[in-house]
Amino acid sequence: DAGVIQSPRHEVTEMGQEVTLRCKPISGHDYLFWYRQTMMRGLELLIYFNNNVPIDDSGMPEDRFSAKMPNASFSTLKIQPSEPRDSAVYFCASSPNIGGPYEQYFGPGTRLTVT
Amino acid sequence: GNSVTQMEGPVTLSEEAFLTINCTYTATGYPSLFWYVQYPGEGLQLLLKATKADDKGSNKGFEATYRKETTSFHLEKGSVQVSDSAVYFCALSLLFNDMRFGAGTRLTVKP
Repeated sequence: DAGVIQSPRHEVTEMGQEVTLRCKPISGHDYLFWYRQTMMRGLELLIYFNNNVPIDDSGMPEDRFSAKMPNASFSTLKIQPSEPRDSAVYFCASSPNIGGPYEQYFGPGTRLTVT
Repeated sequence: GNSVTQMEGPVTLSEEAFLTINCTYTATGYPSLFWYVQYPGEGLQLLLKATKADDKGSNKGFEATYRKETTSFHLEKGSVQVSDSAVYFCALSLLFNDMRFGAGTRLTVKP
């Protein structure tokens, strides 16, 4: 399997612009997670999906952030409008529904820089 | 709430030194415990795991034992290599949605 795929790997944008990050989970995994990693706050869970349905978005920082999962093989995280404080590495992870003990498989991340 | 606390870094060792990274947890119930490793520019990778008390997870020379009595899951390696330089995260999980990560410990191994 190719693992979790994220695109782009790097994104540089100006404040106020819309940013869309993309993720393809491992085939057959029913859970998909979006994380944000910064030096100051470490690894933060933003939102997760089960069978394409958002289950918990309590970690989404504010209304500027939105996430969708239109099908089992694709998810997006959108920031509109972007701000410099959104600069971070964003990770997507997926996890199977059965078997346990519920380990997560991470993608390589998207490094976002907002100037 | 459920959480993990791991020793703050950074940790700097010479090649072939012994490594210990401490991790303690707080949880209601019986969590599964994990160590993840993050190499520069990459995502987190599962290093090892343990699902019940006294289980020992091991991989690539690293080991950690699930100690219920001390609520700990310390990571150890007898002889580190330069290639082990990375950030190590302790984590616990009770449910699919409940993976809690520690703050991470940066390890640098010098030749």
